[in-house]
Amino acid sequence: GAVVSQHPSRVICKSGTSVKIECRSLDFQATTMFWYRQFPKQSLMLMATSNEGSKATYEQGVEKDKFLINHASLTLSTLTVTSAHPEDSSFYICSARVDRKNTEAFFGQGTRLTVV
Amino acid sequence: AQKVTQAQTEISVVEKEDVTLDCVYETRDTTYYLFWYKQPPSGELVFLIRRNSFDEQNEISGRYSWNFQKSTSSFNFTITASQVVDSAVYFCALSEKGYSSASKIIFGSGTRLSIRP
Repeated sequence: GAVVSQHPSRVICKSGTSVKIECRSLDFQATTMFWYRQFPKQSLMLMATSNEGSKATYEQGVEKDKFLINHASLTLSTLTVTSAHPEDSSFYICSARVDRKNTEAFFGQGTRLTVV
Repeated sequence: AQKVTQAQTEISVVEKEDVTLDCVYETRDTTYYLFWYKQPPSGELVFLIRRNSFDEQNEISGRYSWNFQKSTSSFNFTITASQVVDSAVYFCALSEKGYSSASKIIFGSGTRLSIRP
């Protein structure tokens, strides 16, 4: 099946710094990718829809200046957590579908971000 | 607006028992898709099944089976003869407005399943 690769799998950063997470579709093109956030023992909450070549669409309550999303190509979307704080520590996971109907969504392996 | 409810937060059973995970959804669309995903402790999401709103036929895959009932807006998941390896968090999810590549998937709160040896 299709593969979505996410990097890094784990990252620890100091408070105030920025962290970039990459999401790549390895063997298919994805016009749209999705970014989710998951706090411990909680569900996946959709943060934003990443659109290739245009601005991302953010869910209500998600700070777009805090979580910068860039979808520069059909195989790569990046999420940058700017000026990270300990409360941004979470599990971030991306998702993409092949650009045709009736296919399941494929998820990256997730990135565990810890801000110290 | 779409919503997925998984009322069972945690379930613990002894190995070889059957267990059913409940999922109730809300949507205004007539065309939608339902999913189940498994999330083991490592964190990655494992796709289990996708079902569209026009197909109410139940499905069986090995020890797994799914019961889709539009009349009650439910899409329940049963594991027969559970095994320790089935221990994970299971998420039910919904995608509205058909199923294009731009349709977002909304997840339920998940059910943490523990299978005791």
